[in-house]
Amino acid sequence: EVQLQQSGPELVKPGASVKISCKASGYTFTDYNMHWVKQSHGKSLEWIGYIYPYNGGTGYNQKFKSKATLTVDNSSSTAYMELRSLTSEDSAVYYCARDGNHNYAMDYWGQGTSVTVSS
Amino acid sequence: DIQMTQSPASLSASVGETVTITCGASENIYGALNWYQRKQGKSPQLLIYGATNLADGMSSRFSGSGSGRQYSLKISSLHPDDVATYYCQNVLSTPWTFGGGTKLEIK
Repeated sequence: EVQLQQSGPELVKPGASVKISCKASGYTFTDYNMHWVKQSHGKSLEWIGYIYPYNGGTGYNQKFKSKATLTVDNSSSTAYMELRSLTSEDSAVYYCARDGNHNYAMDYWGQGTSVTVSS
Repeated sequence: DIQMTQSPASLSASVGETVTITCGASENIYGALNWYQRKQGKSPQLLIYGATNLADGMSSRFSGSGSGRQYSLKISSLHPDDVATYYCQNVLSTPWTFGGGTKLEIK
């Protein structure tokens, strides 16, 4: 069974950084791209970017290029997203989602990680 | 960036009815469109990919259609379990962009 288990909620101060993890199981981690998606409260979904675990190749939404860094640890089948210089605009739920290789569709999603930026 | 516009923003219908949600793209996306269902308190779930293909495990009461700039998601014989917010997603070119969502409620 494919599962994506994300790290727990984060409360961080403005200006700080945070690193969220997404541990994959039930499939060959290096065979599928991993996407990251943001959902702010009451708003729609925003695509942040993706990483291809096989070679670490990445693609970013230009809007998030200076905000987010995507990495992987293939030894533990874990994807990471680091967000830096956090502001209240970054308070949101962040999801990792596997690209199922069908029309770039995200076929499995993590449970989401809530990030709250507050002093 | 390709803009995705969904309508209606919210929808209320009765059990057993058929409803349709539409999604318009700011340019031709050649069928590169996916639909997701997000239930309250849960993560989004893939519903339709490639505009018309039903995702594994999803009910055949859901169907997708469309081409060019206009796409639709039809839900037949509405069930109480269909209460959710539905999103379309452009995957023709990055950045992948989502519609604003359609919130479906049962009367």
